[in-house]
Amino acid sequence: GNSVTQMEGPVTLSEEAFLTINCTYTATGYPSLFWYVQYPGEGLQLLLKATKADDKGSNKGFEATYRKETTSFHLEKGSVQVSDSAVYFCARDEDSSYKLIFGSGTRLLVRP
Amino acid sequence: GAGVSQTPSNKVTEKGKYVELRCDPISGHTALYWYRQSLGQGPEFLIYFQGTGAADDSGLPNDRFFAVRPEGSVSTLKIQRTERGDSAVYLCASSTLQGADYNEQFFGPGTRLTVL
Repeated sequence: GNSVTQMEGPVTLSEEAFLTINCTYTATGYPSLFWYVQYPGEGLQLLLKATKADDKGSNKGFEATYRKETTSFHLEKGSVQVSDSAVYFCARDEDSSYKLIFGSGTRLLVRP
Repeated sequence: GAGVSQTPSNKVTEKGKYVELRCDPISGHTALYWYRQSLGQGPEFLIYFQGTGAADDSGLPNDRFFAVRPEGSVSTLKIQRTERGDSAVYLCASSTLQGADYNEQFFGPGTRLTVL
């Protein structure tokens, strides 16, 4: 089964609202954790990553902290913009392989 | 510089036919990955290459799927006797496997495969 679980969407927010998208993972080791974003009509892009416990990844106002004790990597942004509307994917890599295991994605829609 | 490119962008075929999907990774990237993304789902890993060899092919669903990377650069994903369930977007990614960003994967735009 899928070892990355993220909240189902769609998530609909007004501009300047606070965003949280939950992500939890299962792993036997200590994977690196990632958030990828897919804007409409575009390919997957890395948004941020964290490679060890308590690391915080940040980019474009988004943040996520690697929480080993809760096996979580929740994505947050203090004030979303219409241009943040996209599908967000949480992912982890494998200890023995560099492949990525993705969650099912969360669609975010930000209204003006 | 140029990113990962994939051709064709769209492929429509009939059930039972053979298809080839091509990926051009970022120049100098050692690792190349293939994923498959069904509608409303996250990408699912298929296979990954380090150089010319398949380092992990555990995601290939069955023996109708095969991939090669003969010169350690361009890769081709080959699907024999296509089935309707093979319809999906096939994504390719590459990474350097070096330095602090060793495991950052850069994705191509994908090939949308439709099997009628």
